[in-house]
Amino acid sequence: AQTVTQSQPEMSVQEAETVTLSCTYDTSESDYYLFWYKQPPSRQMILVIRQEAYKQQNATENRFSVNFQKAAKSFSLKISDSQLGDAAMYFCAYRRGSGSNYKLTFGKGTLLTVNP
Amino acid sequence: KAGVTQTPRYLIKTRGQQVTLSCSPISGHRSVSWYQQTPGQGLQFLFEYFSETQRNKGNFPGRFSGRQFSNSRSEMNVSTLELGDSALYLCASGRQTGAYEQYFGPGTRLTVT
Repeated sequence: AQTVTQSQPEMSVQEAETVTLSCTYDTSESDYYLFWYKQPPSRQMILVIRQEAYKQQNATENRFSVNFQKAAKSFSLKISDSQLGDAAMYFCAYRRGSGSNYKLTFGKGTLLTVNP
Repeated sequence: KAGVTQTPRYLIKTRGQQVTLSCSPISGHRSVSWYQQTPGQGLQFLFEYFSETQRNKGNFPGRFSGRQFSNSRSEMNVSTLELGDSALYLCASGRQTGAYEQYFGPGTRLTVT
């Protein structure tokens, strides 16, 4: 079974600075997708960024980028120029890429605090 | 385009009762998944429906069931409620192409007393 581990229960960052959230996963499959979701206090889960395992290039979405290390099974999220609105719980998630099972397997989450 | 909607947003039930939660996916999305979120267990997959068929099911007792209608709307039912069923229930819809990104609704907060 696939597992996703987020080793940092809480992180904090100063506004305008950069923070990196860690995620490792365990799978025996070669075809899969990885995602970062953000859940602000309002509870709506928002998709931040995704990475296809077959792509070597790291995904980037504005101030959000990932460092995908397939051999190490590591998938970290970097938030640049942090803003107060980035404060939220961040979840790393895995989904297999083939077959008909599209369920997401989530990590326990990292609570990010942004200090003004 | 409207996002995923879930009703009701909050619900308080008594042990032994049953409850039905509703989810309307994003227009054009034919897949709906349900997740349970609790402080202790985190986010756990309940089941997924596609074209009115349950395609996958998580490790939950038979008290948890669901269905999907021809318009892709989905309902989830929990019978004989237990205190441990108190949770945030999240619904996600997706388009079965490419990365199959799933988009979540705001959730239904169920409290069982």
